[in-house]
Amino acid sequence: GESVGLHLPTLSVQEGDNSIINCAYSNSASDYFIWYKQESGKGPQFIIDIRSNMDKRQGQRVTVLLNKTVKHLSLQIAATQPGDSAVYFCAENTGNSGYSTLTFGKGTMLLVSP
Amino acid sequence: ETGVTQTPRHLVMGMTNKKSLKCEQHLGHNAMYWYKQSAKKPLELMFVYSLEERVENNSVPSRFSPECPNSSHLFLHLHTLQPEDSALYLCASSQAANYGYTFGSGTRLTVV
Repeated sequence: GESVGLHLPTLSVQEGDNSIINCAYSNSASDYFIWYKQESGKGPQFIIDIRSNMDKRQGQRVTVLLNKTVKHLSLQIAATQPGDSAVYFCAENTGNSGYSTLTFGKGTMLLVSP
Repeated sequence: ETGVTQTPRHLVMGMTNKKSLKCEQHLGHNAMYWYKQSAKKPLELMFVYSLEERVENNSVPSRFSPECPNSSHLFLHLHTLQPEDSALYLCASSQAANYGYTFGSGTRLTVV
């Protein structure tokens, strides 16, 4: 999961396993949350989002869970594939004045071995 | 292609040089952002432009100067940078509040 230290947390899984990446967010007023995937040499890519009036949202092979009580967000990836290897960031939005203000976590590196 | 294009992809500059990074979006978004990504650090917000006006500047040194001439283009002008400014500089755009960003691929900057 996310870390406040300088070391980037790493999750190593086998191809076909389910992966769970965790994130603790800081602002109880945040109302919108996003997971991004960043592959080497590329910018972050949107995966899935969830608004604070929901506690679960599903996409293709991905599910995001939101627990506002403990300010916790998780990303579940089903049947993980080598192409899922990347750094995953959670982000919380606190902007409400016509633009988003996203605060990002440090990221978790997901390594998928064949 | 994500809809947000950044140029150049790589840039090496000396500490006395002046250079500019360019970002272009054709998504019809009305807000644009500059972020800095250094190794082992979270993404750091540098500047926000909403409807072509700068609305946020997170205590960025004056050697970084943004420019937003229209809603589709964003520049980051660089001068007299320091080696610690070496990083990946990411541009992003968004539709409105409470929407996610679309990021460009970034410019990998090395200051020598």
